[in-house]
Amino acid sequence: KAGVTQTPRYLIKTRGQQVTLSCSPISGHRSVSWYQQTPGQGLQFLFEYFSETQRNKGNFPGRFSGRQFSNSRSEMNVSTLELGDSALYLCASSLVPGAGNTIYFGEGSWLTVV
Amino acid sequence: KQEVTQIPAALSVPEGENLVLNCSFTDSAIYNLQWFRQDPGKGLTSLLLIQSSQREQTSGRLNASLDKSSGRSTLYIAASQPGDSATYLCAVLDSNYQLIWGAGTKLIIKP
Repeated sequence: KAGVTQTPRYLIKTRGQQVTLSCSPISGHRSVSWYQQTPGQGLQFLFEYFSETQRNKGNFPGRFSGRQFSNSRSEMNVSTLELGDSALYLCASSLVPGAGNTIYFGEGSWLTVV
Repeated sequence: KQEVTQIPAALSVPEGENLVLNCSFTDSAIYNLQWFRQDPGKGLTSLLLIQSSQREQTSGRLNASLDKSSGRSTLYIAASQPGDSATYLCAVLDSNYQLIWGAGTKLIIKP
């Protein structure tokens, strides 16, 4: 059974550009959440999607957006990139949202903004 | 605002020792608490999930406890091995249904 797949694994962008990251959840999982991990701020919740609807959103500016498709795959987009957006972006999936469900993480997308 | 703290930030012990990692949180209104491990440059692997109504969970050499009233959890690792070297993170699912993370404990097991 394939795990959570994130693409691309590594990318370098210039300030002001935009970036789109992709996440394919484990087959059968319908809930996808995104996290940002930086050395200074640690792990922070970005947003969660279930059945193509955003269920929850963390405290990030509107430059950060996401969506989920009917096959549960998800993308997140960051527009007008800033140096501080350099981070490891992690995607996680679970069967459905809920406190009793284990979440499974992908290996992340390393974004460097120069 | 929920805050999660992990102590110590780093820990180095000889192989074979039993050890305890600590996690504390400021708001007891949580749905669950989870422990994860992260290997360098990798994603996170879920180790144990404790529901708010539970006191502990066990998996192999790992045992996690939860005392919601005092806002504390411990992760006990028995008979540590070099393969246990990683960063261990705890996270609570708060009342807004968001995972709030600790900064992690970097564990090194010396052969």
